[in-house]
Amino acid sequence: DIQMTQSPSSLSASVGDRVTITCRASQGISNYLAWYQQKPGKVPKLLIYAASTLQSGVPSRFSGSGSGTDFTLTISSLQPEDVATYYCQKYNSAPLTFGPGTKVDIK
Amino acid sequence: QVQLVQSGAEVKKPGASVKVSCKASGYTFTSYGISWVRQAPGQGLEWMGWISAYNGNTNYAQKLQGRVTMTTDTSTSTAYMELRSLRSDDTAVYYCARGERGSAPKGYFQHWGQGTLVTVSS
Repeated sequence: DIQMTQSPSSLSASVGDRVTITCRASQGISNYLAWYQQKPGKVPKLLIYAASTLQSGVPSRFSGSGSGTDFTLTISSLQPEDVATYYCQKYNSAPLTFGPGTKVDIK
Repeated sequence: QVQLVQSGAEVKKPGASVKVSCKASGYTFTSYGISWVRQAPGQGLEWMGWISAYNGNTNYAQKLQGRVTMTTDTSTSTAYMELRSLRSDDTAVYYCARGERGSAPKGYFQHWGQGTLVTVSS
């Protein structure tokens, strides 16, 4: 099975900072990669699919890139409401594995 | 609008079984698959498996094979996930999520149920 890893596992940044989270697949998955945001006690929310397509209604400060095995989620200007854990997920075929998550908070 | 409404919280003893339901509305139920995802307290998201609402085909995570069964009732647009031989480490919030249109276990999850807390404790 393809394994998904994320780095860092957590980060602390200031409001307005540019934040980058990396997701790596153990084998190529083309662009079948999604990113989710989960705030404490809430249901995960889809942010990005097809590695770089922004889900409707998601602020444009979020962007995604990558293909094959290496992917990136970028928040161009961190806002207080972005405090959450972010997960990547491969979805080309089963198992639809999630990465372990990256916890983002405000410094 | 698409909605997935799950059944309420459950408390079970070790060795028991639990069955969680997920009632879909706002779309043609048989056109999409349903995945189940769980999240233990303070932990990440774990994909448990998938069922085609079209033909009932399933694909389960290897670690749960033999303990999990996913079914659907197309007459009520409801998906079910049953987990048997419960252990304390099965304590988690269980989510249903709508996958991709079609009959294959793939697709990202735009729509999620609200989650069902299952607590396994003696």
